[in-house]
Amino acid sequence: EAGVTQFPSHSVIEKGQTVTLRCDPISGHDNLYWYRRVMGKEIKFLLHFVKESKQDESGMPNNRFLAERTGGTYSTLKVQPAELEDSGVYFCASSPQGATGYTFGSGTRLTVV
Amino acid sequence: DQQVKQNSPSLSVQEGRISILNCDYTNSMFDYFLWYKKYPAEGPTFLISISSIKDKNEDGRFTVFLNKSAKHLSLHIVPSQPGDSAVYFCAASRNAGNNRKLIWGLGTSLAVNP
Repeated sequence: EAGVTQFPSHSVIEKGQTVTLRCDPISGHDNLYWYRRVMGKEIKFLLHFVKESKQDESGMPNNRFLAERTGGTYSTLKVQPAELEDSGVYFCASSPQGATGYTFGSGTRLTVV
Repeated sequence: DQQVKQNSPSLSVQEGRISILNCDYTNSMFDYFLWYKKYPAEGPTFLISISSIKDKNEDGRFTVFLNKSAKHLSLHIVPSQPGDSAVYFCAASRNAGNNRKLIWGLGTSLAVNP
């Protein structure tokens, strides 16, 4: 069984540019989560999809962040325009319905310069 | 304001001895606690969990203890092995239907020396 796949693994962009991160969850997992870890801080929740619907987006920092999940399969997280404080590692995780533990991807390290 | 605290940034133990990682929380509404292990350049990997209705859960070399009155949990690894060297994160969640949003600690870096 393939795990949670995220790409790119690294991205370096200039302030003001746009970046799109992609996550492919484990097939059949209805739940998809995005988390972010800024250097020196704890991992923080961004949002949760159930299939294609946003269940909870209370952790999204501001309206420069837009997440979508097409047809309940893969998800994208777009940052537009990127700011310096957006730098960090963005993790995606998925789980089946009713599960309490998730499977995480390896993350995308975003650096905004 | 951190709701989940791991006050020891690092821990070093000898191979074969016991590793004890600690975690404190402030929110009494948390009803589920999890430990994740993370290697460099990888995502966190689920290790073990415990429901608030229990005080102990064991899985092989890993045991998690929960003290609700003290709002404290600990992860015991015995015997410790060099491959256990990683960053260990404590996380907590509240029952919110299907939404298991996790609140994380900062992590403890464990080094198991041969």
